[in-house]
Formats: sequence, C-alpha cells, structure tokens
Amino acid sequence: AQSVAQPEDQVNVAEGNPLTVKCTYSVSGNPYLFWYVQYPNRGLQFLLKYITGDNLVKGSYGFEAEFNKSQTSFHLKKPSALVSDSALYFCAVRANYGGSQGNLIFGKGTKLSVKP
Amino acid sequence: DAGVIQSPRHEVTEMGQEVTLRCKPISGHNSLFWYRQTMMRGLELLIYFNNNVPIDDSGMPEDRFSAKMPNASFSTLKIQPSEPRDSAVYFCASSLAVSGANVLTFGAGSRLTVL
Repeated sequence: AQSVAQPEDQVNVAEGNPLTVKCTYSVSGNPYLFWYVQYPNRGLQFLLKYITGDNLVKGSYGFEAEFNKSQTSFHLKKPSALVSDSALYFCAVRANYGGSQGNLIFGKGTKLSVKP
Repeated sequence: DAGVIQSPRHEVTEMGQEVTLRCKPISGHNSLFWYRQTMMRGLELLIYFNNNVPIDDSGMPEDRFSAKMPNASFSTLKIQPSEPRDSAVYFCASSLAVSGANVLTFGAGSRLTVL
C-alpha cells in the first residue's frame, strides 16, 4: 500500500534556527513527492515537488527538501526559520494504483511553530 | 485567475438535512478532487474526476455522499442526509493532468458543522 508518514505531530523551532520537518514514504515504483503548507483557515498551498533528477529540491519561501531513496525519506528543510513559517505542513506522494494516477496521498501533517 | 472557488465557506446545519458544497476549478484544469479534513483522520480523498468523469470514488464514505461534475467548470458534493460525524472541512482542488507531476491547487475549503 502506498503511504506517507510524518512522524512528528509538532516541531518547535526558534526564529533564525534551521528547521527540519520529516517525511517518509512507501510507494511502488519511482515516487513523485510533494510538500504543501496550510495556514489557518486556508487551503493547502504547494511548496515544492520531487520528480526526478537532483535530490535537493528548492521551493517557495526559501524551503528545500532532500530526497533520499535508500531511506525512503523526503524531509523539508529551511536554513533559517521565520515566525511567519508557523503553519501546518503536509508531505504527499502521488497515488499510483489502478485508475488513480493523479491524486495525492497526504501525510497527517506536522504543525511547525517558530518562536521569536 | 481567481483560483479554485468553493462555496459556502461555512455551513451549519442540523442532522438529517441535505448539504450541497460547490466548487469552481481553475479554468483549463482537467482534474478535480474532493478532500475531507478532520483532526482525527487528516486529509482524505473522497473522489477524483478527470475530464468530468469520476475516476476513483473509493473514498466516498457511504451512499449518503454523492458528487457530480456536469461540466469542466463546476462540481458539487452532496451529503444527504447529513450526520454529526460529517462535520469537517471539505476541500476542492484542481490540476492540469498532463503528467504524474501534477500540482494540485486547493480552494479555501468549506467548513461544515452538523449539529
């Protein structure tokens, strides 16, 4: 079965410090991986995606993610956190079974809290 | 482009009532998705359309739920009769499905409370 796991419900970081939000996946074949962010009372917004190529993917708002095939991980990172980065972050993998080859399977989300 | 438009943004109704949620996808997008978000279960895919045709409705909880996409610019999700356990935020998303790397654009969601 295809799935995404985000092992941390919450990550707390001080402003200016680096942040990491963890994600591991289980999928048959080559994974298509995504990160989305959700601010309060808003829909999800796309941050970045990995399809193929360079394992380090750069996205919006200074975020990046590193694809690690051997560890089946796709952790989200940012060198210096901002208070405005506080939000709910979702990792997702493209479904690849039967007729479903377009929808995304989402992790449960990780709440990032950045304190001044 | 105004993005994915959902209505209503908030709905409070009583158990047993019919609820209809509406979605206007981004013009030119050919895939549309309905997701439900709750604290307990996170984001769940309910149903997915491609070129107005339902592709995967395995996530639809039960017969009380139905979804339609009569044309490329409109979709509805109906719950009849509604129950308190249907209380959630319902998201519509659309994408242009030309490859497996489709980026979904989400609407702001419809928050449903069933009393």
